[in-house]
Amino acid sequence: QVQLQESGPGLVKPWETLSLTCTASGDSIGSSYWSWIRQFPGKRLEWIGYIDYSRRPIYNPSLNSRVTISIDTSKNQFSLNLSSMTDADTAVYFCARGGYSHRPDLWDYWGQGALVTVSP
Amino acid sequence: QPALTQPRSMSGSPGQSVTISCTGTSSDVGGYNYVSWYQQHPGKAPKLIIYDVTQRPSGVPDRFSGSKSDNTASLTISGLLAEDEADYFCCSYAGTYLFVVFGGGTKLTVL
Repeated sequence: QVQLQESGPGLVKPWETLSLTCTASGDSIGSSYWSWIRQFPGKRLEWIGYIDYSRRPIYNPSLNSRVTISIDTSKNQFSLNLSSMTDADTAVYFCARGGYSHRPDLWDYWGQGALVTVSP
Repeated sequence: QPALTQPRSMSGSPGQSVTISCTGTSSDVGGYNYVSWYQQHPGKAPKLIIYDVTQRPSGVPDRFSGSKSDNTASLTISGLLAEDEADYFCCSYAGTYLFVVFGGGTKLTVL
């Protein structure tokens, strides 16, 4: 059974960089596609980006200048860095495994979500 | 603003059927047969229930079905159960630049 767990700060100051990590168990991080998706307070979902087994990241073009996704196969983890945070970035951040039916846009396992609030 | 348009809320009685619509454009829903649907209960992560417009992952009841016509995809839930009360989101592949876009979600209430 695949399990994903997000970790990181729940509170970030404006203009700081958010750093979240997702630890996977039950599957190798060296396979599949690994995504970050966020859900805003009004429940709208937004795909942030993903990294695949070749360590190639693909980002949402609206966030491309601020986002970095990386992978650490030795720890079976992948990470999200989102710079210049504003209150518009307040959301629940999910990590998710893509690759269902060999497609990076189909997520079959998700973390429980990490609430990140941007506030001074 | 969400790229795909869904009704904000819908309701139905146990045993009834409901159909949730998801309207996009020829650049997403209408351009690819890559529409998926996710179910989300309060405080939980979304769960994949339909992919490639009509396909169900293993373990998803056949009460859930999907379809598409032009730029509008639909999710039909037949024989409503109390446990179907949840938010439902559509998602469509939108090409190599945007990758995917989501609907704003529909809150389904089982009366």
